[in-house]
Amino acid sequence: EVQLLESGGGLVQPGGSLRLSCAASGFTFSSYSMSWVRQAPGKGLEWVSAISGSARSTYYADSVKGRFTISRDNSKNTLYLQMNSLRAEDTALYYCAKDPKLRCSIDYWGQGTLVTVSS
Amino acid sequence: QSVLTQPPSVSAAPGQKVTISCSGSNSNIGNNYVSWYRQLPGTAPKLLIYEDNKRPSGIPDRFSGSKSGTSATLGITGLQTGDEADYYCGTWDNSLSGGVFGGGTKLTVL
Repeated sequence: EVQLLESGGGLVQPGGSLRLSCAASGFTFSSYSMSWVRQAPGKGLEWVSAISGSARSTYYADSVKGRFTISRDNSKNTLYLQMNSLRAEDTALYYCAKDPKLRCSIDYWGQGTLVTVSS
Repeated sequence: QSVLTQPPSVSAAPGQKVTISCSGSNSNIGNNYVSWYRQLPGTAPKLLIYEDNKRPSGIPDRFSGSKSGTSATLGITGLQTGDEADYYCGTWDNSLSGGVFGGGTKLTVL
């Protein structure tokens, strides 16, 4: 059974940093691309970033480019999202997602971790 | 403003059929597969349809997907009160080099 467990969310001041983690199990992690998708309170889904299984390819939404960095540790079956220069508009539930074809073709989602950016 | 356009809401009676549209462009729907997701209140999204019209195991055949040109459609037959949820379409956008979602459609089963 595929399981994705996010952690690392919390309250941070504008301009601050957070690192999200996603522990994956139930599949061969290194063989699959992964993505982060966020959902602001009461809003729709917003694709944030994606990374290939080998980590050779990464992609970012314009809204986070230059501030967020996606990475993975295949030896630990863990996906990361380093978030710097956080803004109020980054406040959202962040979902880790398995994305087999690296084309926003998500087949499994985690339960999400909440990031709140506020002073 | 979402790259993919969905109606904000649709409604139908139990047992009836409903369709939800998702409109895009050649840079996204026109040249990439579309997926559909259902999000029940307070839960994570769940995959309903992938590669335009394929259902994952465990998804009943009441759910169907289709695509024509730069538009995709999700169909749900035999509506149940448990189908009340938000539905999202998603795909890749070649111009943006990133994923895109529709704004979501709230389904009400009257």
